[in-house]
Amino acid sequence: GQSLEQPSEVTAVEGAIVQINCTYQTSGFYGLSWYQQHDGGAPTFLSYNALDGLEETGRFSSFLSRSDSYGYLLLQELQMKDSASYFCAVGATNKLIFGTGTLLAVQP
Amino acid sequence: DVKVTQSSRYLVKRTGEKVFLECVQDMDHENMFWYRQDPGLGLRLIYFSYDVKMKEKGDIPEGYSVSREKKERFSLILESASTNQTSMYLCASSLSGGAKQPQHFGDGTRLSIL
Repeated sequence: GQSLEQPSEVTAVEGAIVQINCTYQTSGFYGLSWYQQHDGGAPTFLSYNALDGLEETGRFSSFLSRSDSYGYLLLQELQMKDSASYFCAVGATNKLIFGTGTLLAVQP
Repeated sequence: DVKVTQSSRYLVKRTGEKVFLECVQDMDHENMFWYRQDPGLGLRLIYFSYDVKMKEKGDIPEGYSVSREKKERFSLILESASTNQTSMYLCASSLSGGAKQPQHFGDGTRLSIL
């Protein structure tokens, strides 16, 4: 079977750093992606990791360890606008398999 | 910028009706996808298409069908709507499958079946 696990909720304060973990079990693996979805909005692409290591894009970084079937999204210098749901997604043949999402609440 | 347009933002239909959800993308993408999103369940893939007239079942295809007669348009059909199909439906497109190429999503259709 194929499954992804991520925490359902995370709370952090403005200016802090938060890490959202994702573990996966899939029969095939073609990279790990992260998407952000604000309440009532469309999911938007944040990052993609095909190889082990850290990818940085501004305040956001994403990490992958294929041997551990594990990745995380790191958000630095948190802002109120970062309050959203974050989904990890594993690439499979011609499609993505999404996790159930982590709701991040940023408090002042 | 890629634009994925879903025909309706909100839709209310009755049990047993045949329901059509339309999705159009303007970036000549090969791949198109239909998901449903329910609280606590994330995005679940219903069907996807990697070329015109080609379709593949996702994880939850029961009760749904799709049509892709033109590259830019991907339709989701509820053959006989039931109350358990009340959900948010999201359409997406991408240049290719897998994770490398981002999927671009429409704003969603919130469908209520009464």
